[in-house]
Amino acid sequence: DTAVSQTPKYLVTQMGNDKSIKCEQNLGHDTMYWYKQDSKKFLKIMFSYNNKELIINETVPNRFSPKSPDKAHLNLHINSLELGDSAVYFCASSQDVSTEAFFGQGTRLTVV
Amino acid sequence: GDSVTQMEGPVTLSEEAFLTINCTYTATGYPSLFWYVQYPGEGLQLLLKATKADDKGSNKGFEATYRKETTSFHLEKGSVQVSDSAVYFCALIRAGGTSYGKLTFGQGTILTVHP
Repeated sequence: DTAVSQTPKYLVTQMGNDKSIKCEQNLGHDTMYWYKQDSKKFLKIMFSYNNKELIINETVPNRFSPKSPDKAHLNLHINSLELGDSAVYFCASSQDVSTEAFFGQGTRLTVV
Repeated sequence: GDSVTQMEGPVTLSEEAFLTINCTYTATGYPSLFWYVQYPGEGLQLLLKATKADDKGSNKGFEATYRKETTSFHLEKGSVQVSDSAVYFCALIRAGGTSYGKLTFGQGTILTVHP
């Protein structure tokens, strides 16, 4: 059983399209995250939710909108995709806001 | 704000060599410190952690000691294997302050081990 699973693993799409990435965790954790990893492997937090409440919203364009329907799910919707959005997006979860995070396998988004 | 600085990579070693990857941090208070490893094409896996000063985290032959006086958390392994080739990330998290709930990563260090 995968602890943090995200779908799809690969996503190739055209500029201007809207796409979603889904994430689910079966660890019973309270906190979930979205991270973006660029081509140089640098990881930057985008959003953090604790008990379905948004607690961190870094400087991310409005085109990115997270949604947490319940504590086990955190989805990421992206509108009007741009070339610069190409990256690997990682979902993660942690027991609470001060403990280690467990990561999904990542979604490699390629915008053409 | 909080920050983590790792030694520049890439690091290339022969099998059975000694590994050190330096990590220093800037954060107020008492953060928890972590090392994560990312194998090619995979997500990040927690390698080890330390939650207070002088704690030593260890796993799979890797170890790191939380040194508050030097704000460091260097990763070491006595004898690396080809299977250790990966990207290694140092990270910290604080329970409070403006960085509440944010796991902050270093830039990653690529390790390649040759037979």
